[in-house]
Amino acid sequence: GDSVTQMEGPVTLSEEAFLTINCTYTATGYPSLFWYVQYPGEGLQLLLKATKADDKGSNKGFEATYRKETTSFHLEKGSVQVSDSAVYFCALNHGGSQGNLIFGKGTKLSVKP
Amino acid sequence: DAGVIQSPRHEVTEMGQEVTLRCKPISGHDYLFWYRQTMMRGLELLIYFNNNVPIDDSGMPEDRFSAKMPNASFSTLKIQPSEPRDSAVYFCASRTQGANGGYTFGSGTRLTVV
Repeated sequence: GDSVTQMEGPVTLSEEAFLTINCTYTATGYPSLFWYVQYPGEGLQLLLKATKADDKGSNKGFEATYRKETTSFHLEKGSVQVSDSAVYFCALNHGGSQGNLIFGKGTKLSVKP
Repeated sequence: DAGVIQSPRHEVTEMGQEVTLRCKPISGHDYLFWYRQTMMRGLELLIYFNNNVPIDDSGMPEDRFSAKMPNASFSTLKIQPSEPRDSAVYFCASRTQGANGGYTFGSGTRLTVV
């Protein structure tokens, strides 16, 4: 069945460092791909998404490109801030408007001042 | 809009007791999802509803768990009897029919069974 694999954390970076969180997926066909962020004590929030190959999702300085050839959707940010400390979840939806999301296990990011 | 509202935020109960978690989805959202989050297993989908009808409950761990959605603005997740291994954060999320991935999550209920 469909699945999502994320790099295991925790990831600890200094402020202004470059961030990459790897995400690969297994699915037949062409799923939509997402990154969600969970701040401490809160629910998940949609960060960005891409619905077809070569699409780039972006939001709040974060970017991810849908790479069909490598079945990947890596999250990147050029300069992280302390406020980016959170848990990041990669997810896919293979059912279109009828489907539900399949989440990776999450990657915890800690940014030190 | 107040978003997805869950109650209670925290629940501590003794093993064997019945626990009821509540969720109010965003008005107009057709889908409602219940997830459980633990350190060991991550985020697990328990059950989801479309137009108040349960569509997939294959993630419900066992018969001790049940979920209902009596109307479009309210859902409950019940555990009876509760066990310590049920301790987790339970999230409710909702979305509209056409929203490709646009889930809105509640703040969760942290359940501790002692």
